Amino acid sequence: SAVISQKPSRDICQRGTSLTIQCQVDSQVTMMFWYRQQPGQSLTLIATANQGSEATYESGFVIDKFPISRPNLTFSTLTVSNMSPEDSSIYLCSVEAPFTGELFFGEGSRLTVL
Amino acid sequence: GENVEQHPSTLSVQEGDSAVIKCTYSDSASNYFPWYKQELGKGPQLIIDIRSNVGEKKDQRIAVTLNKTAKHFSLHITETQPEDSAVYFCAASTTDSWGKLQFGAGTQVVVTP
Repeated sequence: SAVISQKPSRDICQRGTSLTIQCQVDSQVTMMFWYRQQPGQSLTLIATANQGSEATYESGFVIDKFPISRPNLTFSTLTVSNMSPEDSSIYLCSVEAPFTGELFFGEGSRLTVL
Repeated sequence: GENVEQHPSTLSVQEGDSAVIKCTYSDSASNYFPWYKQELGKGPQLIIDIRSNVGEKKDQRIAVTLNKTAKHFSLHITETQPEDSAVYFCAASTTDSWGKLQFGAGTQVVVTP
């Protein structure tokens, strides 16, 4: 399985600010995904990030709020813009293994918005 | 779209007993069903998965069964140990995009010594 590193691991942010989360993978992968896990809840897919193309967002998530970059096959960023307390969540980067389709997750970035 | 329901929400078992978690799905096109274990403060860890061309899969103390007709699948943990205590999530997706998982609500498993 791939080793996925996320930064920051946790942060406390002020309302109205933006934060960029970085995801680094130790091997080249085509498919990367960003998920959100609200406190005590399940995981919800935010968007699919493929290298060389615009991210594809799921219903309820928009590019202005969650801009994503995917500059190469080992790296992606997710920005949470103009944060409010409702954005307090764990944001998880995940990668899909080629051929098997297994999805592996990073340890997550825990954001608290005050 | 797909809807995955998971039961129970909490499960307390005595060490050495078995634990069973059940999930149902709505989309007949779903054909990939992974299970994840999430320990406190960590990301989800893939523990086992099953595809729709298989009815059962086993890996040591963990097994998963799939009933395509009834659209449900289950996780079985035998001889539970305290380190099995965690939140377990079932999920479903299709071949078109395995990584676009629809997750169940999760089951908090507590194994008491």
